[in-house]
Amino acid sequence: DTAVSQTPKYLVTQMGNDKSIKCEQNLGHDTMYWYKQDSKKFLKIMFSYNNKELIINETVPNRFSPKSPDKAHLNLHINSLELGDSAVYFCASSPVGRFNYGYTFGSGTRLTVV
Amino acid sequence: AQKVTQAQTEISVVEKEDVTLDCVYETRDTTYYLFWYKQPPSGELVFLIRRNSFDEQNEISGRYSWNFQKSTSSFNFTITASQVVDSAVYFCALEDQTGANNLFFGTGTRLTVIP
Repeated sequence: DTAVSQTPKYLVTQMGNDKSIKCEQNLGHDTMYWYKQDSKKFLKIMFSYNNKELIINETVPNRFSPKSPDKAHLNLHINSLELGDSAVYFCASSPVGRFNYGYTFGSGTRLTVV
Repeated sequence: AQKVTQAQTEISVVEKEDVTLDCVYETRDTTYYLFWYKQPPSGELVFLIRRNSFDEQNEISGRYSWNFQKSTSSFNFTITASQVVDSAVYFCALEDQTGANNLFFGTGTRLTVIP
């Protein structure tokens, strides 16, 4: 069983389109995240979300929006895609609190905007 | 503000050599957590270790060992007797305790182990 699964693994789309990446975790974790890894391999937090609040990295354009239908899912919606959005997007989850034994990451979604 | 610096962008070693990957961090938090992740060529992020700021004991796991020194704000990672399968990008990360608990990553060190 995959702990954190993302779909699709690869996504190629044209500029201006709207797309979604799905993420599901079966670990019972309380918090989920989206990270972006750019072409230089730099990883940066985009969002963190638990059932209480959504925290948004201020550098993330408002074309990006996370949607959580339930505790096990945090999907990423991107409107009006731009060339600069091309990157690998990682979903992750973690339990809450000091006994967090680490973040579990999905295998990533490589988004290419053409 | 939190910051993680991995000064070594790329390292190449010959198989069976030991290699140390450096990580220096900055934080104003008194309680924090440090992590190492491995990203092999297949692209997934593999959790290696988590260490809290109150535990400065060094840790060894097989060929991997970690040296945490609070005095120098460093959390270095050593691979002993490196193998080709160790070739990957390694990320050091800091978990902040203010606001959301999320990870600040260093820029990564690409390790290539030459057979």
